[in-house]
Amino acid sequence: EAGVTQFPSHSVIEKGQTVTLRCDPISGHDNLYWYRRVMGKEIKFLLHFVKESKQDESGMPNNRFLAERTGGTYSTLKVQPAELEDSGVYFCASSQERGREHEQFFGPGTRLTVL
Amino acid sequence: GNSVTQMEGPVTLSEEAFLTINCTYTATGYPSLFWYVQYPGEGLQLLLKATKADDKGSNKGFEATYRKETTSFHLEKGSVQVSDSAVYFCALRGGGAQKLVFGQGTRLTINP
Repeated sequence: EAGVTQFPSHSVIEKGQTVTLRCDPISGHDNLYWYRRVMGKEIKFLLHFVKESKQDESGMPNNRFLAERTGGTYSTLKVQPAELEDSGVYFCASSQERGREHEQFFGPGTRLTVL
Repeated sequence: GNSVTQMEGPVTLSEEAFLTINCTYTATGYPSLFWYVQYPGEGLQLLLKATKADDKGSNKGFEATYRKETTSFHLEKGSVQVSDSAVYFCALRGGGAQKLVFGQGTRLTINP
């Protein structure tokens, strides 16, 4: 069974440009999460989808970030326009069900560098 | 709000040394506690977890005990190997939310 995949693995863009990150969750997982780690600090939650609906977007930093999950399958996270402080590693995770016992499986991350 | 504090790294040990990485948390209610590991070039992997007080999670020789009285979940291993070199993250999930709250990560390097 394929794990969570993310594309691209690395992205280098200039300030003001747009970047779109993609996450493909494990097949059949209704829950999809985005997290990011900035400057070697703690990993912070961005948002949570249940199928195509945003369940919790309390971690989205500002309106330059737009996440979508059309059809409840893969998800995209667009940053427009990108700023220097957006540099970091963006992780996607998925889980089959919610609750205390259900593990979130993480992808390898996308390293974003904004110059 | 919920938060996790783990010991700052980097930590460098010799092979077969004893390892402790401290983790304490602040949370309302009864969170579930986790240790995740990120090996070089790879994504986060769940290493172990505990869902209630006094539970001990264990995997690959690593152990951590959920201590509610001290709000701690310290990671231990009796004899580390070079292959344990990685970044370790302590995390919690609680308050009815599904999101994980992570500590800042501890980079561990094991020298032969």
